[in-house]
Formats: sequence, structure tokens, C-alpha cells
Amino acid sequence: AQSVAQPEDQVNVAEGNPLTVKCTYSVSGNPYLFWYVQYPNRGLQFLLKYITGDNLVKGSYGFEAEFNKSQTSFHLKKPSALVSDSALYFCAVRDQKVDTGRRALTFGSGTRLQVQP
Amino acid sequence: EPEVTQTPSHQVTQMGQEVILRCVPISNHLYFYWYRQILGQKVEFLVSFYNNEISEKSEIFDDQFSVERPDGSNFTLKIRSTKLEDSAMYFCASSEGTSGRDEQFFGPGTRLTVL
Repeated sequence: AQSVAQPEDQVNVAEGNPLTVKCTYSVSGNPYLFWYVQYPNRGLQFLLKYITGDNLVKGSYGFEAEFNKSQTSFHLKKPSALVSDSALYFCAVRDQKVDTGRRALTFGSGTRLQVQP
Repeated sequence: EPEVTQTPSHQVTQMGQEVILRCVPISNHLYFYWYRQILGQKVEFLVSFYNNEISEKSEIFDDQFSVERPDGSNFTLKIRSTKLEDSAMYFCASSEGTSGRDEQFFGPGTRLTVL
């Protein structure tokens, strides 16, 4: 079974400071990992993904994420937070080991990022 | 930029009634999905659809649920007899489908309220 944990319900950071939103995962094989962001009354917007290769993945809006296999983590980062980054962030995983016809993503519970001016 | 669209944005229904939620996936995508998010809870997978058939479904997707691609553009989720616990935000998503590594693109959601 595949699972994701986002240990923080909320992260508060001041504008201009670096931010980190944590995610750990569990799969039987190797993971495909994704970050999505949800703004109020909007759907989930894709930010970035890890498939294979470089452990540091760069995505939309200046976000990046670091894959760490030994710690089974995929933390989302941004060097300098903006007030407009305030939203709900979801980490998701799919086990590479399962049949490629099975595409279901398993999501974490979400982390609310609040960036203060 | 192409996007997934969903209608209606909000649906209110009485318990026991049938509802149909509609989605238009991105036009060149081959895999379609429904997820739901009960208020304050995780986004949960319901079903995936490829080549005009269900390719995967979760335990949530019981006999009360069905999906259909009635034409070349729409993808629908039907709940035959709604229950109070079906109240949730329902998200449609699509992916290119060429690989399991493809990201899924989500629509804005339909908020279903069952009274």
C-alpha cells in the first residue's frame, strides 16, 4: 500500500523568508511524487513532480522539492516566500511498482501555508 | 492553457436522489479520474477510466457510483441514490496517459451537498 504523511497542519512564515513544507511517503517500490497547491474555491494545481534522476526538482512559481530516498521524504521548499503563496499544499505519491494501468494518487492530509507580510 | 472544467460548481440534492456530475477533461488526454474531498479531510481517489472502461477503482466506488464518457468530450460521475455521507467536493482530473509518471490535471471541483 502507498501512503503519504504531512506532519504539519499549518506552516507560518514571514514574507521573504525561506519556507519548507514537509512530506514523507511509504511505498513498496520506488515512488512517483507530486506536489499540488489548492487556492480557495479552486481545484488542485500541479506544482512539480519527482520521477527519477536529480533529487532536487524545480517547479512552478519558484518552488522546488528535494527527494531523499533514505529518509523517504519529499519536502517542498522556496527560498523566499510571498504572501500570494498562502494556500493549501498537498503531497501525493504513486508507487512505481504497481501495474502501470493503475494511476491512483494517494494524497497527504494537506498543509496550510500562511505567509505573513 | 488547456484546463479541466466541471459543472455544476455546486449541487444541492435530497438524500436518495440521483446526481450527475459533469467534467470536460483536457482534449488530448486519455486517462480520466474522479477524486473526492470530504470537508477537512484528505483528497481520496474514486475511479480511473481509460479506453472507455474503468481501469481502477477504490473501495469508496461502490455500486451506487458509475462513470461514463457519453461523447468525445464529457466525462460524468453518477451517484444513483445519494447519502448524507456523499456530501463532499468532487474533483475530476485527466492525464495524458502515455505513462504512469504523468501528472494529473484537476478541475475546480463540484461541491455536492446532500440534505
